[in-house]
Amino acid sequence: EAGVTQSPTHLIKTRGQQATLRCSPISGHTSVYWYQQALGLGLQFLLWYDEGEERNRGNFPPRFSGRQFPNYSSELNVNALELEDSALYLCASSVTGTVGEKLFFGSGTQLSVL
Amino acid sequence: GESVGLHLPTLSVQEGDNSIINCAYSNSASDYFIWYKQESGKGPQFIIDIRSNMDKRQGQRVTVLLNKTVKHLSLQIAATQPGDSAVYFCAEKGDTGTASKLTFGTGTRLQVTL
Repeated sequence: EAGVTQSPTHLIKTRGQQATLRCSPISGHTSVYWYQQALGLGLQFLLWYDEGEERNRGNFPPRFSGRQFPNYSSELNVNALELEDSALYLCASSVTGTVGEKLFFGSGTQLSVL
Repeated sequence: GESVGLHLPTLSVQEGDNSIINCAYSNSASDYFIWYKQESGKGPQFIIDIRSNMDKRQGQRVTVLLNKTVKHLSLQIAATQPGDSAVYFCAEKGDTGTASKLTFGTGTRLQVTL
């Protein structure tokens, strides 16, 4: 069974540009979570989608947005990129997003903003 | 604010020895704790979890200990192997919260020497 897949693995952008990151959850999983992992920091929760709806949002500015498609894949968009947006962006999926659900992570997209 | 942290950023252990990775948490309302392993170039992988009604839980070569009195969590790895080299994260949340409520620590790097 395929795990969580993310693309691209690396992305280089310049300040002010927009970045689009993609995630395909494990088959049968309806919940997708996005996290930012900056160098030397822990995972910071960005967004949670379940059944096509945004369910929760972390403490990030509105230029971080996303969506979930009918096939449960998801997209994270970062507008007006800033240097401090450089980080590893991780996507995780779970079956339903209910209490106690375990997360399964992808390998991430390394975003570099120059 | 509430936070989850780690005592040691890097731990070096000889192959075959036991490893102990520590984590302090500050949210006394946390009911659920997880340890993740993150190898280089990969996303975090679930290792073991424990709920606050337990003080010890064992898996294959791993044991998690929870001391609610001092808000301390530890991960013990028996007979450490080179494949155990990775960054280990603890995470915590209230039992009624979904995975979007997980708070992650910054991680401890475990280096296994031959």
